[in-house]
Amino acid sequence: DTGVSQDPRHKITKRGQNVTFRCDPISEHNRLYWYRQTLGQGPEFLTYFQNEAQLEKSRLLSDRFSAERPKGSFSTLEIQRTEQGDSAMYLCASSFPEGDATDTQYFGPGTRLTVL
Amino acid sequence: GDSVTQMEGPVTLSEEAFLTINCTYTATGYPSLFWYVQYPGEGLQLLLKATKADDKGSNKGFEATYRKETTSFHLEKGSVQVSDSAVYFCALRGTDSWGKLQFGAGTQVVVTP
Repeated sequence: DTGVSQDPRHKITKRGQNVTFRCDPISEHNRLYWYRQTLGQGPEFLTYFQNEAQLEKSRLLSDRFSAERPKGSFSTLEIQRTEQGDSAMYLCASSFPEGDATDTQYFGPGTRLTVL
Repeated sequence: GDSVTQMEGPVTLSEEAFLTINCTYTATGYPSLFWYVQYPGEGLQLLLKATKADDKGSNKGFEATYRKETTSFHLEKGSVQVSDSAVYFCALRGTDSWGKLQFGAGTQVVVTP
């Protein structure tokens, strides 16, 4: 399977702990995206990388959140001092520029975070 | 800012019925429009897209037409199957962003035999 993979699939943590998620995009894709999805809602954009450069960040990405893509391949999303409101599904997507400049984002299965 | 509004679910249908899911948007200029589908236990998948006014996206029997005059991108299928049971998300990418997809809240569709 050469789709987008995410690890772990589930994470349970206590409030105040730090967590880190990993995303491995489709190998030839140079764009990578992070979204957050809460129950009954659509995904909300968090941040976007082109190669290793972080080009866009949402206001949702508070200073407790940090994302990296050091070599332009996999990416990590870290949440420091987790709060119960951080409980959500964290989705990663990747894409490659298409001719019409509207590249298709391919989503991974997500990491479900539960903060107790 | 940009936003997407889609009809609330769940929408419950019998097999072979006609499906419409309404989606309207607010955005400046000419955004690109998408429908994504999430089958039970699976990740989001692109169903279809349209990049300019009057474009029609189609896939797996589903269609949606980009209507600039009504700022709409309604999803339709003429004869649904039980396997179409899923959550459907309408989304847009605005002209001011190369990365961000703005999603609606999703519409759950349940098709019964």
